Amino acid sequence: NAGVTQTPKFRVLKTGQSMTLLCAQDMNHEYMYWYRQDPGMGLRLIHYSVGEGTTAKGEVPDGYNVSRLKKQNFLLGLESAAPSQTSVYFCASSYSPTGIDTQYFGPGTRLTVL
Amino acid sequence: GENVEQHPSTLSVQEGDNSIINCAYSNSASDYFIWYKQESGKGPQFIIDIRSNMDKRQGQRVTVLLNKTVKHLSLQIAATQPGDSAVYFCAETGGATNKLIFGTGTLLAVQP
Repeated sequence: NAGVTQTPKFRVLKTGQSMTLLCAQDMNHEYMYWYRQDPGMGLRLIHYSVGEGTTAKGEVPDGYNVSRLKKQNFLLGLESAAPSQTSVYFCASSYSPTGIDTQYFGPGTRLTVL
Repeated sequence: GENVEQHPSTLSVQEGDNSIINCAYSNSASDYFIWYKQESGKGPQFIIDIRSNMDKRQGQRVTVLLNKTVKHLSLQIAATQPGDSAVYFCAETGGATNKLIFGTGTLLAVQP
């Protein structure tokens, strides 16, 4: 049982490049989340999904897109990276079919945009 | 919008002392609260949670207190150890059913 895994662990992009971050969970959780973490600002929700085939915007969705084609995977895409997107990105999942529940986090992806 | 104020931002304690971290939330409809521990280079890890129908919950060396009247949440760590050194986050639902709102974190440094 690997829990929540994220790939890649590190990435450096040039402004304007695109990339996709992959999150996978093997706990059969319904809910999945993407956060970014910046110094002094805690965790901010980018997008989330309440089930396969569904996505919704969080607090800071601009510049990102997501897809949940399979229940176990949640992809975060940056179409045209900007230096403001330099951050550490965390994926999380929770069981929560009817209400909020504990979220389990992956190890993070450190992204630098030059 | 919803916000969670967490303090102190840094806390330095001697090994063996007790540590207390505080959070103030704004939404009276918040009904679920979690504390996470984040070690350097890792994702947040669940420590303890509490629902709004309780005012205290205890785990191993940790206690969470909830005061709904003043919208205040605290985490107490007893006999703090060097392995407790990390950033601690509180999180609450803000009245939603599928999202958490996080505090800004407290860096706990334990001096041996």
